[in-house]
Amino acid sequence: GIQVEQSPPDLILQEGANSTLRCNFSDSVNNLQWFHQNPWGQLINLFYIPSGTKQNGRLSATTVATERYSLLYISSSQTTDSGVYFCAVDTGGFKTIFGAGTRLFVKA
Amino acid sequence: GAGVSQTPSNKVTEKGKYVELRCDPISGHTALYWYRQSLGQGPEFLIYFQGTGAADDSGLPNDRFFAVRPEGSVSTLKIQRTERGDSAVYLCASSSLGQETQYFGPGTRLLVL
Repeated sequence: GIQVEQSPPDLILQEGANSTLRCNFSDSVNNLQWFHQNPWGQLINLFYIPSGTKQNGRLSATTVATERYSLLYISSSQTTDSGVYFCAVDTGGFKTIFGAGTRLFVKA
Repeated sequence: GAGVSQTPSNKVTEKGKYVELRCDPISGHTALYWYRQSLGQGPEFLIYFQGTGAADDSGLPNDRFFAVRPEGSVSTLKIQRTERGDSAVYLCASSSLGQETQYFGPGTRLLVL
């Protein structure tokens, strides 16, 4: 099956810093989503982005489907950005495969 | 306008017992997913419903796990003869067309003693 790899596995930032999270996938995908899981465990969808670029406030994402990767950009990070960021893909069926996540801690 | 809800929030049971976990999706969402998340890992797909039918149950780990969605709305995940290895957070998500944005519930934390 498709493999989803996220990097870095852990990231510590000073508040106000920018960062880039990466998601590589091993096969063509039909759907790609980025999620944020807050420290209380709630998963929030950030982007549905099978291709192209989207922006939402301080967050933006780019997926280059032909090269099988997606990037999530966080600018001017805040302590509330802390948590785990997941990339999730499907290959045209209904089975959604999540990566292992990037654990982000933003220091005040 | 409520989001996805799951009950109970927490469930503690003894090895060998039967448990039921409930998911109430966003009104009007035809697609419903169940996932299991172990500590430090990403969610693991279990089963997908489109309407009342299970379109993909390939993620169910064994025949002790079963899920239903009889009226195309609320879903119940059923685990028979629970084992300690079943301890995890069970997450439910729904979406409007099945291959777009998924909205997650808060999860049920299951502990099997």
